[in-house]
Formats: sequence, C-alpha cells, structure tokens
Amino acid sequence: ETGVTQTPRHLVMGMTNKKSLKCEQHLGHNAMYWYKQSAKKPLELMFVYSLEERVENNSVPSRFSPECPNSSHLFLHLHTLQPEDSALYLCASSQDATGSYNEQFFGPGTRLTVL
Amino acid sequence: AQSVAQPEDQVNVAEGNPLTVKCTYSVSGNPYLFWYVQYPNRGLQFLLKYITGDNLVKGSYGFEAEFNKSQTSFHLKKPSALVSDSALYFCAVRKYTGTASKLTFGTGTRLQVTL
Repeated sequence: ETGVTQTPRHLVMGMTNKKSLKCEQHLGHNAMYWYKQSAKKPLELMFVYSLEERVENNSVPSRFSPECPNSSHLFLHLHTLQPEDSALYLCASSQDATGSYNEQFFGPGTRLTVL
Repeated sequence: AQSVAQPEDQVNVAEGNPLTVKCTYSVSGNPYLFWYVQYPNRGLQFLLKYITGDNLVKGSYGFEAEFNKSQTSFHLKKPSALVSDSALYFCAVRKYTGTASKLTFGTGTRLQVTL
C-alpha cells in the first residue's frame, strides 16, 4: 500500500443516514485531497486541504462536508445523499498543495452505495 | 483550460509484446504530465511524471513515457507486457489555480494483457 489508508472500504447507506469517511496518511505530507470516481467519468477533485486549511472546493454540494483536524487526517461527512452520489471516494496526499513536482499518493478508496 | 484525452477505452496486447497507451494534452504554458495505474479494488498508484528535460521518462515497473511537444502527446509504453500489467491507466495534467496544484485526469484506458 501507499501509506494512505481509508476506512471503511465499503459503505451502504440510506438517503437519510449520516456517515463519515476517514482518511489517514502516514507519509508526513502537508496536503490532502478528496476525489470522486464514478464509472465512465474522469476523476473529480472535490476538496483540497493544505496544512489543515481548505484551499479548494470544487462546487461540491453541501451534503458533503470535509474536515481536516490535522495534517494526517481527513474526513468526509455525508448526510442526505442521493443515489447518484454512489461512487468510489478516493483520498490522496502530497508533500504540499502547490508544488509542481509533487505526485499524489492515493488510498484504496471507499466504495459508497446510496440506496 | 488544461485537459488530457485518452482516446482508447481499452487496449489489448499479448504478453511479451510491446504496449502503448495513448494520451494527448491541451495546456497553456509548460505541461506537467503524469501517469497513474489503478489495479482492481485499489487506489491510484503513481507511475511517472514529466516536468522538464529528457523527452523519454522512465518510471515504475518498467514503464516509460515519451513526451512529444509537436504532437502534444505523452504516450505510456513498455517494451514487453506482462499479464500483471492488466489494469486501468490514467493520464493527468497539473494545473495551478493560484491556491493549489490540481490534477486533471483523463477518462482512463483499460489495459488487458493476455497469455
């Protein structure tokens, strides 16, 4: 694995549930990212955090709420989701958020199904 | 806008034969290009990147990519394919938004290597 872990790996939830996705990176990086991967669509960047501060929010609906309590942990809080939100949610980290040369390291993802 | 295109949804190749996975880019300024691979039920793994310098970039697992400015291409190559190379491959381009470096991914190409 790449040093980025995500839990849970699979999640099934109803439209009225509240759940959270967790990401942890063990690489000493300062930037963390949330991506959404849907079938037959490019990866969509959702949020970028740099040193626990949100620096990018790509027009993501408010039913997705990120939280970054420290540079090693990133959460995605979910509430009142829609079936079209079913996807693989990937977390990534990089040395920093602005460097040109820093590749991103990805976690294995959480497969989310909204019923 | 920065973008990449992967014209092939799937590439099939026999084990031992050379493989090429195509990527073309559209950027303003100098391109920063990446290749990632995704194995089943796993996150994306970094393979290689082009920032500047030699047009032939060598990466992990015997892969290399050739940057061609005149054709705006960054094709991924390997001289001899293995069955274990079967996976989903993504090309990406870096864009700096003023607050963060973002990766814009292509739609992915599925590589199938058969015996």
